[in-house]
Amino acid sequence: NAGVTQTPKFQVLKTGQSMTLQCAQDMNHEYMSWYRQDPGMGLRLIHYSVGAGITDQGEVPNGYNVSRSTTEDFPLRLLSAAPSQTSVYFCASSTRPYIYEQYFGPGTRLTVT
Amino acid sequence: SQELEQSPQSLIVQEGKNLTINCTSSKTLYGLYWYKQKYGEGLIFLMMLQKGGEEKSHEKITAKLDEKKQQSSLHITASQPSHAGIYLCGARPDNAGNMLTFGGGTRLMVKP
Repeated sequence: NAGVTQTPKFQVLKTGQSMTLQCAQDMNHEYMSWYRQDPGMGLRLIHYSVGAGITDQGEVPNGYNVSRSTTEDFPLRLLSAAPSQTSVYFCASSTRPYIYEQYFGPGTRLTVT
Repeated sequence: SQELEQSPQSLIVQEGKNLTINCTSSKTLYGLYWYKQKYGEGLIFLMMLQKGGEEKSHEKITAKLDEKKQQSSLHITASQPSHAGIYLCGARPDNAGNMLTFGGGTRLMVKP
């Protein structure tokens, strides 16, 4: 099993550009989520999904869109990148929400200039 | 909303020393999770505590959830350079929700 994979590992965007961060898991997990990590602020939940076709907002959803068309994939879209979105983004999955441990991907480091 | 405060924010210890990291919540904790993050990498699950008074250990790391379920501590015995990293606590804001909130993290360095 590859676990949770994220691509790309690094990305530089200009203000106003759009892009999609990819996340995939091969563990047949129902629950997937996206976090951003900023210095001194821990992890903040952006969006999450409890199954294919179901998504919901987390703490900091503005400026991001998600979709869950399959169990395996949970892409995160930045519609119009802003410098405030410079961060490290982590995708995570688990069998059920917070009853079991979450498995995290290696992260995507995004810089918006 | 629930806030998790971790202390200390950073810690430098000599190899072989014991250390404790605390995680304090502004509300009752429904499940407390400890994760470790190596610099530049993703998070690795360490332990989950659910019941007040619960204590779990893995190798030289012990985590406790206090009786009132508003504070957890992570204790490392005889620290080693491999323990270095960022330790984060996470908790569910309520018993029915699907969200997990995290503390700001504690950055640990172990000097050989």
